[in-house]
Amino acid sequence: AQKVTQAQTEISVVEKEDVTLDCVYETRDTTYYLFWYKQPPSGELVFLIRRNSFDEQNEISGRYSWNFQKSTSSFNFTITASQVVDSAVYFCAPHAGGTSYGKLTFGQGTILTVHP
Amino acid sequence: GAVVSQHPSRVICKSGTSVKIECRSLDFQATTMFWYRQFPKKSLMLMATSNEGSKATYEQGVEKDKFLINHASLTLSTLTVTSAHPEDSSFYICSARGRYQETQYFGPGTRLLVL
Repeated sequence: AQKVTQAQTEISVVEKEDVTLDCVYETRDTTYYLFWYKQPPSGELVFLIRRNSFDEQNEISGRYSWNFQKSTSSFNFTITASQVVDSAVYFCAPHAGGTSYGKLTFGQGTILTVHP
Repeated sequence: GAVVSQHPSRVICKSGTSVKIECRSLDFQATTMFWYRQFPKKSLMLMATSNEGSKATYEQGVEKDKFLINHASLTLSTLTVTSAHPEDSSFYICSARGRYQETQYFGPGTRLLVL
């Protein structure tokens, strides 16, 4: 079974600050995917990134960057120069393999509030 | 691309009635759809997985007779909450995934309030 821990329940920053959201996961699968989703106040989940466990190269997309460390089972997400529109709940989710293929296990989420 | 819609976005009903929620993939064929439930300030809880043309697979603790799921086509899945009660009030979200795809794309969710 998959398990994911997002230790930061809530984070509050001032606009333009950098912020890192932590994600630590547990899995017995040898190959797997990891996802980050954003849930703004409107409620819909917005896909941010998918990472294959074979690919440990860090990724940057605009103000977003992800640090995948397979050795420590972490997949942290950094927002650079945060903006008010970044305020949302962010979920990290590993993707199961085997007989549970395709299921996402969501963490508790981190509520990010960016103040002007 | 990868747009998923849900209808209705919000529904209020009386206790004892049944409510149907539709989930549609608008620009891709969704071979698998997932239904989640989310309580306020909580995480998403997977209720069931449905593959097109097959019976849904329910997670442990989810009553299949209570939450009827149909996935009759590659673009539509429905969740029917039968004989709804106030404790069924929640935010229901669907997601869809195409064949050989790994990423689930989520609908905007449906807020159900049972009075």
